[in-house]
Amino acid sequence: DIQMTQSPSSLSASVGDRVTITCQASQDISNYLNWYQQKPGKAPKLLIYDASNLETGVPSRFSGSGSGTDFTFTISSLQPEDIATYYCQQYDNLPMYTFGQGTKLEIK
Amino acid sequence: QLQLQESGPGLVKPSETLSLTCTVSGGSISSSSYYWGWIRQPPGKGLEWIGSIYYSGSTYYNPSLKSRVTISVDTSKNQFSLKLSSVTAADTAVYYCARHPELGDAFDIWGQGTMVTVSS
Repeated sequence: DIQMTQSPSSLSASVGDRVTITCQASQDISNYLNWYQQKPGKAPKLLIYDASNLETGVPSRFSGSGSGTDFTFTISSLQPEDIATYYCQQYDNLPMYTFGQGTKLEIK
Repeated sequence: QLQLQESGPGLVKPSETLSLTCTVSGGSISSSSYYWGWIRQPPGKGLEWIGSIYYSGSTYYNPSLKSRVTISVDTSKNQFSLKLSSVTAADTAVYYCARHPELGDAFDIWGQGTMVTVSS
């Protein structure tokens, strides 16, 4: 099985800060890496698909990069409404979808 | 606008079978070549993919749950369903249904989720 390591598990930042979350796969997953935002009591929302593509309607302050085993999710300027837990998610040809452990983002 | 809605019992007894249905509205479950999946989230924990079904009926399951899971589709009712047998307290979770365009694609549309508690 491919293991996903997402870090950090929690993060505190100020409004306007640049925020970065990383996700590392134990094997090459090409660009099969997606990023979701989940607010309390709500379903996850797709933000970034195929590592770097912004889902329609998602603000441009969100971005993703990487391929192979190392991936990065960035919020260029943190806004109060970005407080949530963020998950990476990978797919392999088993077939199998695996989510990262999540990063809880809080306002400092 | 496509919407998904989960439904089913909120309380299931240990060793029994959990049964949930996802109703698709705003579009036909079989009009396009989409996959339909189930994902769950235990209280305070992360997300776990349970399995997916193609509109034609082909199924794909998480190997860790495969022996207990059945996912089916009813195109006449525009629904797909989840059955999880021999449940224990570890199966207590919010269960989500979601759509993904291809096997390997992201889950782009989600239901709101339904909480299922396993308890006697």
